[in-house]
Amino acid sequence: QVQLVESGGGVVQPGRSLRLSCAASGFTFSNSAMHWLRQAPGKGLEWVAVISYDGSNEYYGDSVKGRFTISRDNSKNTVYVQMNSLRAEDTALYYCATARHLWLITYWGQGTLVTVSS
Amino acid sequence: DIQMTQSPSSLSASVGDRVTITCQASQDISNYLNWFQQKPGKAPKLLIYDTSNLETGVPSRFSGSGSGTDFTFTISSLQPEDIATYYCQQYHNLPTFGQGTRLELE
Repeated sequence: QVQLVESGGGVVQPGRSLRLSCAASGFTFSNSAMHWLRQAPGKGLEWVAVISYDGSNEYYGDSVKGRFTISRDNSKNTVYVQMNSLRAEDTALYYCATARHLWLITYWGQGTLVTVSS
Repeated sequence: DIQMTQSPSSLSASVGDRVTITCQASQDISNYLNWFQQKPGKAPKLLIYDTSNLETGVPSRFSGSGSGTDFTFTISSLQPEDIATYYCQQYHNLPTFGQGTRLELE
């Protein structure tokens, strides 16, 4: 069965960087686009970024564009998001998710919590 | 960005009730509309994709309809395990979500 395990979350000071990882199993990772999404505490869902199955295309939400970079390593079945210049408003539970094609988000991992605070 | 407006924001209903949630897009999104269910402390789960297609394994009491800018999600007979927050999501442009509908038992 599909399994997505996020890691790398923690407490970080404003302006600093953090890299999240998402290890995938149970499906053909190299054929699947992958997304990052987030949910601030007690709030709704926000899409962050997507990377195509081969890494050739990336798209970002306006709130993270220029600060976050999504990447993948198909040899490791892992997708990453490098988060730079973190702000308090980036505090959230970060989920990775698979996609049936580039844009149809299907299965989500359980998330990793990022807290940006001094 | 395409704005998605869900209503109501919260809803109380009894077991066996028919429950309806609406979602309105700020512009035409064709049928690129999905519905997710999120139970407390859990990740969202895809229930319906492309407006009306039931995801594999999802009970048939869940359904969706609509096109263009106006969409509806229905639970035909509410079950206790359906208590959750429901989100609509469009992907005509970069994905955006509705603000969610919290469904509670009366």
